[in-house]
Amino acid sequence: NAGVTQTPKFRVLKTGQSMTLLCAQDMNHEYMYWYRQDPGMGLRLIHYSVGEGTTAKGEVPDGYNVSRLKKQNFLLGLESAAPSQTSVYFCASSDTRGKETQYFGPGTRLLVL
Amino acid sequence: GENVEQHPSTLSVQEGDSAVIKCTYSDSASNYFPWYKQELGKRPQLIIDIRSNVGEKKDQRIAVTLNKTAKHFSLHITETQPEDSAVYFCAAPSGGSYIPTFGRGTSLIVHP
Repeated sequence: NAGVTQTPKFRVLKTGQSMTLLCAQDMNHEYMYWYRQDPGMGLRLIHYSVGEGTTAKGEVPDGYNVSRLKKQNFLLGLESAAPSQTSVYFCASSDTRGKETQYFGPGTRLLVL
Repeated sequence: GENVEQHPSTLSVQEGDSAVIKCTYSDSASNYFPWYKQELGKRPQLIIDIRSNVGEKKDQRIAVTLNKTAKHFSLHITETQPEDSAVYFCAAPSGGSYIPTFGRGTSLIVHP
């Protein structure tokens, strides 16, 4: 039981490049989330999903897209990376109402030059 | 949406002292209040949570108290140890949803 995993762990991009971050969970959770963490800013929600095939915008969605084609996977895409997207990205998953504990992945450190 | 404010942003204590971190929220319908601990370079992990039908919950050296009238909840750590040094985050969901809003975090430093 691996919990929540993320790939890659670290990536360096040049401005304008694109990339996809992959999140996978093996706990059969319905809900999945993408956060970014910047110093002094806490965890800010980018996008989330309440089930396979559904996605919704969070607090800071601009410049990102997501897809959840399979229940266990949640992908975060950056179409044209900008230096402002330099951050640590965390994926999380949670079960249904009444079991709201979020389980986080190990994080992806992204540097955009 | 929910607005969560967390104080202080940094807390420095001596080993053995108590530490208290406070969060306020805006949505009176919120009903679930977790606390997460994030050690340096690691992922956040739940350490304790409380639901709106109770006022206090304890787990060994940590406790959480909730004041629904004043819309604030606090994390209490007693007999602090160096391994308690970490960033602590509170969170609260908007009353009608399960999507949490996180506080900005408190960096707790426990000096040996």
